[in-house]
Amino acid sequence: GQQVMQIPQYQHVQEGEDFTTYCNSSTTLSNIQWYKQRPGGHPVFLIQLVKSGEVKKQKRLTFQFGEAKKNSSLHITATQTTDVGTYFCAGTSQSGGSNYKLTFGKGTLLTVNP
Amino acid sequence: DTAVSQTPKYLVTQMGNDKSIKCEQNLGHDTMYWYKQDSKKFLKIMFSYNNKELIINETVPNRFSPKSPDKAHLNLHINSLELGDSAVYFCASSRRWTSGSSEQYFGPGTRLTVT
Repeated sequence: GQQVMQIPQYQHVQEGEDFTTYCNSSTTLSNIQWYKQRPGGHPVFLIQLVKSGEVKKQKRLTFQFGEAKKNSSLHITATQTTDVGTYFCAGTSQSGGSNYKLTFGKGTLLTVNP
Repeated sequence: DTAVSQTPKYLVTQMGNDKSIKCEQNLGHDTMYWYKQDSKKFLKIMFSYNNKELIINETVPNRFSPKSPDKAHLNLHINSLELGDSAVYFCASSRRWTSGSSEQYFGPGTRLTVT
């Protein structure tokens, strides 16, 4: 079955440093989504990338989708304490017929030292 | 207004018991899901329903039985609870995937502890 690998598992940074998490799929994806889960909270949708090579920005966050649609990255510039949480990538693939399945990576836990 | 709600928020029970978790969404979505998040934060899909029809059933013990009385509700019943069932269970919903692109809205989660 489809696998989505995400690295690193943990990342601790000083406030103001940059942070990147990487996601790789064993199969070509229809699209990739990114979610953020604050400690004790639930996953919250951040963004979706659909096109090969797509790059999207949300303030200090930059999301990329690889040319082969098998990898993606999330980069945060100048981290803040509010960025703390687990960032998940989730790849969409067909699961049969017209149905699709979202497979989550294991997430990267980001902690920020003020 | 809560988009996706789950009850209860916490559930502590003993091994061997049967318990249910309820989920409701008021977003008008067609598709609903159950995820299990273990202590290592790994999110694994368990079931997916579209318009009350089961469309995804991952390798889950048959002690777990989902039920969708209508497209706004997806409940999860667990029989003969085991220690390994302890986890946070998230319900989620999305529009129907006709092209494979639809964000999911998660409920607040139900933390199940089996003693």
